[in-house]
Amino acid sequence: DIQLTQSPSTLSASVGDRVTITCRASQIVSSWVAWYQQRPGKAPKLLISKAFSLESGVPSRFIGSESGTELTLTISSLQPDDFATYYCQVIGTFGQGTKVEI
Amino acid sequence: QVQLQESGPGLVKPSETLSLICSVSGGSISSDYWSWIRHPPGKGLEWIGHIYSSGATNYNPSLKSRITLSIDTSKNQLSLRLTSVTAADTAVYYCARLVFEGYYFDFWGQGILVTVSS
Repeated sequence: DIQLTQSPSTLSASVGDRVTITCRASQIVSSWVAWYQQRPGKAPKLLISKAFSLESGVPSRFIGSESGTELTLTISSLQPDDFATYYCQVIGTFGQGTKVEI
Repeated sequence: QVQLQESGPGLVKPSETLSLICSVSGGSISSDYWSWIRHPPGKGLEWIGHIYSSGATNYNPSLKSRITLSIDTSKNQLSLRLTSVTAADTAVYYCARLVFEGYYFDFWGQGILVTVSS
């Protein structure tokens, strides 16, 4: 089974900041990586699939990348709408989540 | 646009069986994969399993002995049964469409909170 270690668990940031969230996988996962945004009381929303493919309608400030076992979600310039919890996912495993807060 | 809606009881007693239905609209349930995912309070997301329109399934090993997923293409509905529930099964339960190539979930239901309590 693939293990995912997501960090940080909480991230304090300001509007306009560049933010990076990392998931470290227990093995090479190729492009089987997705990233989701979840707001309180809402279902997760798919942001990125296949490691770096941006979903339709998702702003281009969300960038996915992969280097070996390190999977990264970068928000290039944080906007007020972006304060939420983010999850990585590889097949049947989710990361623990990163809460982005002010 | 595919839409999913979970339904079922919001309260289940310990040791009983949790049963949920997911109704799919805006598209056919056939020729697609579908998943259930849950979110326990204060914890992260947990994949429960997936089912193909043919009825073929794949379950989370940690839940395999208690889970049954089924599909009714005539009604465009999915079903989840989880037996012998405990408080640890309290969660928001989501159904979602699974894109098997890439294994990601592109459409989600709004979720249903199921509490296990006597």
